[in-house]
Amino acid sequence: GAVVSQHPSRVICKSGTSVKIECRSLDFQATTMFWYRQFPKQSLMLMATSNEGSKATYEQGVEKDKFLINHASLTLSTLTVTSAHPEDSSFYICSASGYTAFFGQGTRLTVV
Amino acid sequence: GENVEQHPSTLSVQEGDSAVIKCTYSDSASNYFPWYKQELGKRPQLIIDIRSNVGEKKDQRIAVTLNKTAKHFSLHITETQPEDSAVYFCAARDFNQAGTALIFGKGTTLSVSS
Repeated sequence: GAVVSQHPSRVICKSGTSVKIECRSLDFQATTMFWYRQFPKQSLMLMATSNEGSKATYEQGVEKDKFLINHASLTLSTLTVTSAHPEDSSFYICSASGYTAFFGQGTRLTVV
Repeated sequence: GENVEQHPSTLSVQEGDSAVIKCTYSDSASNYFPWYKQELGKRPQLIIDIRSNVGEKKDQRIAVTLNKTAKHFSLHITETQPEDSAVYFCAARDFNQAGTALIFGKGTTLSVSS
């Protein structure tokens, strides 16, 4: 299957700071990538659809000014959590789609 | 938009028994239904998928069935083993729409005891 690489795998940041998470498709071009958030013992909730060369599409209830998405190339999408707060602590995971979704390793964000 | 319901939320079986997880979906346009297995702290891994032009697909101990009329699909694991213990997610999407995301069910925590 396709390889999607996500970095960093873990990050701890102070409240009020920003954190950038990178998602790379290593062996195929992804015009569309997806960002999910997963709280402990819960499912993957779609946050936004990242479109190469255009604005991301956010799901209802997701603040676009807080979760900045940039998809500047066919192999890289970034998610920046701005002014992070403890409630933003979660597992963030990206995926790139071929016929199915190929997931990055995920990023465990802890805001202290 | 699509809504996927998954049951049960937890399932405990004895080693060697069968396990069945069921999902329903709402959007009749959905035609691709994968199942993922997620171990703690790791990314979901695709274990089997089915498209709506078939009713059943099998891969060794794992099978998926689809009832398109009723909009439900199920995962069947036979001869369960302790290493099958994980969280399983079903998902659905319209395969023909390139930019659509997979929508996931809430997950089933499967525990296989030896």
